[in-house]
Amino acid sequence: GENVEQHPSTLSVQEGDSAVIKCTYSDSASNYFPWYKQELGKGPQLIIDIRSNVGEKKDQRIAVTLNKTAKHFSLHITETQPEDSAVYFCAANNFGNEKLTFGTGTRLTIIP
Amino acid sequence: DAGVIQSPRHEVTEMGQEVTLRCKPISGHNSLFWYRQTMMRGLELLIYFNNNVPIDDSGMPEDRFSAKMPNASFSTLKIQPSEPRDSAVYFCASGSRLATDTQYFGPGTRLTVL
Repeated sequence: GENVEQHPSTLSVQEGDSAVIKCTYSDSASNYFPWYKQELGKGPQLIIDIRSNVGEKKDQRIAVTLNKTAKHFSLHITETQPEDSAVYFCAANNFGNEKLTFGTGTRLTIIP
Repeated sequence: DAGVIQSPRHEVTEMGQEVTLRCKPISGHNSLFWYRQTMMRGLELLIYFNNNVPIDDSGMPEDRFSAKMPNASFSTLKIQPSEPRDSAVYFCASGSRLATDTQYFGPGTRLTVL
């Protein structure tokens, strides 16, 4: 089955700076890669996703890049704000079924 | 849309008691997932349904856990008897395979078994 590794596990960034979280996956057949943000006491919320037919996708201050050859994808947050503080999870689908395999999460702290 | 609805939001029970967690998926979604989240094991998929039929229950930890989806708008996850190691946050998520593999999560149920 799919295996997803996520780094770093914790990340502290000065407000206004950029944050980058990286994930690698094992199954070359995976073709869907969502990112979720989980705030304290809440469920994971989808913030951006990318499919394997594109290399990059942007939505305001967040972007995701995908390198299919290397089997890794990254989340980029620019101009970070205190409300960006949360745990972020990457995931990859399991081709042929509807399951998602999640990374272990990155706790992002924005320092004012 | 109200999103995925879960109840109760918090549950505290004693070891040996039966616990039932409830989920209402987003209207129109045909897939439903139950996850468990702990610090040690992260997000674990327990079981998922497609069109109310259980497709993969390989993540269900043991026979004490059972899940049902009697109709497209309701699912339950039952633990009987409950044990302290079942303490976790349980999430329900729904999705529509026709459109995308995206899953939308509910707010979760925090279960504490004493």
